Amino acid sequence: QSVLTQPPSASGTPGQRVTISCSGSSSNIGTNSVNWYQQFPGSAPKLLIYSNVQRPSGVPDRFSGSKSGTSASLAISGLQSDDEADYYCASWDDSLNGYVFGTGTTVSVL
Amino acid sequence: VKLVESGGGLVQPGGSLRLSCVASGFTFSNFALDWVRQAPGKGLEWVAGITGSGTTTEYASSVKGRFTISRDSRKRMVILQMNGLRAEDSATYYCTKEAFSTIYYGFDVWGQGTTVTVSS
Repeated sequence: QSVLTQPPSASGTPGQRVTISCSGSSSNIGTNSVNWYQQFPGSAPKLLIYSNVQRPSGVPDRFSGSKSGTSASLAISGLQSDDEADYYCASWDDSLNGYVFGTGTTVSVL
Repeated sequence: VKLVESGGGLVQPGGSLRLSCVASGFTFSNFALDWVRQAPGKGLEWVAGITGSGTTTEYASSVKGRFTISRDSRKRMVILQMNGLRAEDSATYYCTKEAFSTIYYGFDVWGQGTTVTVSS
């Protein structure tokens, strides 16, 4: 089951900034780093942000991550139609001794 | 860097299935590998992981005692042996590579997935 809580959906118009939250606890986000994954329908997920704030090579700087306490956020600035996808946060959980994912957020561009 | 899964299919409840994932493009023993699954229309769920050396494995509570993850360095392959399958195990199973040899830092490369359906 998902241990990290995300809003089910988020939306914005082209060019706007959208922020997705990811709420956890002291055993996961509070202690360990957060990664974010982007998934288009019918495709495998792709790493978008790692170690809370780092972008892999090739990921536009329109995508940024942050973490504070037991929560993390993903921001998409200059929203584009190509950004329509599902977004998942993930972190290691010390209590479960395994990875936990967020519930997922579907981003729509109006 | 590439991960290619195989072995998915239709199996009856209580049955077994063996998923394989062949890796290429990186030094195999230097990186941990994991399986992550996604039921139809649902979110992602981590299933199991194995360190680069193969000496340590971790499992989600939902599969512990039923699934076994292993790796074969000679074949550059990670295997998920699934026994006692249940309907709730039906999902697309993704093979993933971690950024380091330990099971901790998350998944930087994903395969395309293989689909498992458990049904009578």
